[in-house]
Amino acid sequence: EAGVTQFPSHSVIEKGQTVTLRCDPISGHDNLYWYRRVMGKEIKFLLHFVKESKQDESGMPNNRFLAERTGGTYSTLKVQPAELEDSGVYFCASSYQLNEKLFFGSGTQLSVL
Amino acid sequence: QKEVEQNSGPLSVPEGAIASLNCTYSDRVSQSFFWYRQYSGKSPELIMSIYSNGDKEDGRFTAQLNKASQYVSLLIRDSQPSDSATYLCAVFNNAGNMLTFGGGTRLMVKP
Repeated sequence: EAGVTQFPSHSVIEKGQTVTLRCDPISGHDNLYWYRRVMGKEIKFLLHFVKESKQDESGMPNNRFLAERTGGTYSTLKVQPAELEDSGVYFCASSYQLNEKLFFGSGTQLSVL
Repeated sequence: QKEVEQNSGPLSVPEGAIASLNCTYSDRVSQSFFWYRQYSGKSPELIMSIYSNGDKEDGRFTAQLNKASQYVSLLIRDSQPSDSATYLCAVFNNAGNMLTFGGGTRLMVKP
């Protein structure tokens, strides 16, 4: 069974550019989460989807970040325009039910120069 | 005060010893607790979950939970060099949709 997959694994962009990260959750998992770890900090929650609906986006830093999950399958996280402080590792995770263990993808290392 | 606190380490133990990793959390209503292992440059990998007070054992790993003290720990028996990694404590919020992580403890097991 395929795990959570993320693309790309690394992205290097310049300040002001746009980047789109993609996450494919485990098949059948309705719950999809985005997390981020910036240098020297804890992994932080960004948002939570149940199928195609955003249930909680309280962790999104600002309106430069836009997450979508059209059709309730894969999800994208777009950063536009990117700023230096957006650099970090973006993890996607999925789970079958709430309050249940999360399976994480390998992450996208984003570097904004 | 951080919501989930861990000693950053590194915690160094000799091969074959018991490694003890500790975590405290601030939200008294939390019900679900997890330990993840993360190798450098890799994704967090779930090791243990615990929901009730007491001990839960799985192979060489034992998770311990004390809700009154808001404390959760992970014991690794017969530590191996391959156990060297960062161990992340994570706690679900009451709604069960937001996992809050500690900063992680780096464990080094020396041969």
